Amino acid sequence: LAKTTQPISMDSYEGQEVNITCSHNNIATNDYITWYQQFPSQGPRFIIQGYKTKVTNEVASLFIPADRKSSTLSLPRVSLSDTAVYYCLVYGGSQGNLIFGKGTKLSVKP
Amino acid sequence: DTGVSQNPRHKITKRGQNVTFRCDPISEHNRLYWYRQTLGQGPEFLTYFQNEAQLEKSRLLSDRFSAERPKGSFSTLEIQRTEQGDSAMYLCASSPYLQGTIGYGYTFGSGTRLTVV
Repeated sequence: LAKTTQPISMDSYEGQEVNITCSHNNIATNDYITWYQQFPSQGPRFIIQGYKTKVTNEVASLFIPADRKSSTLSLPRVSLSDTAVYYCLVYGGSQGNLIFGKGTKLSVKP
Repeated sequence: DTGVSQNPRHKITKRGQNVTFRCDPISEHNRLYWYRQTLGQGPEFLTYFQNEAQLEKSRLLSDRFSAERPKGSFSTLEIQRTEQGDSAMYLCASSPYLQGTIGYGYTFGSGTRLTVV
């Protein structure tokens, strides 16, 4: 079973900042939090990964509070091309595989 | 090396036939994974290899499914006696792995869409 809980869907408009929150109450000490993006008829694509506090790359930011029981993926100024399903996963170094939930379907409207 | 390559992209087969899919991972990645995805669901783990060794198999991988990675490079996934419930997107991913370090992001291929009629 997936170790995370996230909203099934979200709607936004072009140019807005989108924040998708994920709950992972049972995260283990050696688990990292990782996010993937998936477009229709394509495989998931790695977006960002973090352990604590804040991580930022050219695509997104990831905010992780001190208790690590949740995390927030922030997409700045979304465009229509950001319409996709976003998956939050927790992953430990000794774990052999990623376990996906249903993800959050983000719809960006003009 | 432009990424993970999967062939064919689409496969339509009659129920009861055997099918085989191929995955060519990123050359320097020693781990290779197979996932299955149905409409509206997230990818479901099937199995993974580290080099040529198959380290884990999901209970989803029934006796009709077999995967190989004979030389630690490309991998094949075979489904025997296909059933309509096997219709899905079959995804392959690869990643580098160093013992004692956290895993890096997986790189997925575009998948093989199987339709069993």
